[in-house]
Amino acid sequence: GDKVKQSPSALSLQEGTNSALRCNFSIAATTVQWFLQNPRGSLINLFYLVPGTKENGRLKSAFDSKESYSTLHIRDAQLEDSGTYFCAAEAGNRIFFGDGTQLVVKP
Amino acid sequence: NAGVIQTPRHKVTGKGQEATLWCEPISGHSAVFWYRQTIVQGLEFLTYFRNQAPIDDSGMPKERFSAQMPNQSHSTLKIQSTQPQDSAVYLCASSLDGGQNTLYFGAGTRLSVL
Repeated sequence: GDKVKQSPSALSLQEGTNSALRCNFSIAATTVQWFLQNPRGSLINLFYLVPGTKENGRLKSAFDSKESYSTLHIRDAQLEDSGTYFCAAEAGNRIFFGDGTQLVVKP
Repeated sequence: NAGVIQTPRHKVTGKGQEATLWCEPISGHSAVFWYRQTIVQGLEFLTYFRNQAPIDDSGMPKERFSAQMPNQSHSTLKIQSTQPQDSAVYLCASSLDGGQNTLYFGAGTRLSVL
């Protein structure tokens, strides 16, 4: 979307390596969510963030509302991390999605 | 907790026919959202209910699309006179409250208009 810009659009990682995905917002985002859409198409919620950081296993996410961006760090990438990662920003009553980052983790 | 349930998973209609998509939110969730996903447009917001009342339908195409939430346990998205450009995956999500809460998505309904 034009209000939420995700980068990179696609990424290939070797198993065991680390990487970071980013979202930049052109709206006054109050909360951010990160989702993984698996090959079956299901959108799985990874994080719900107010400004600050959260960590869950090999994933860590940060949201800086003043600088209007959020990041998702993946540590020690595994094959099952493959899929499309979406960030979504809430502003007012609306939740705006980015266009996603397609991640492929290779053995 | 079965999560958000969407039916059918796949629907094929002929051009000009009507399609009704169903969504059962997670029990206790007061907010229901409808999105449409295509390769070209990505995830597009369609409409949003809170406590069964329509709050924001600004994403709904003005013609042929309508959504209702007659009770707290289900919402429907109806598309009249379907067109090939309506082909997409329609996703329903619910959250505890409409404001500042985690979205839980259903598996989606893949609509194919021939």
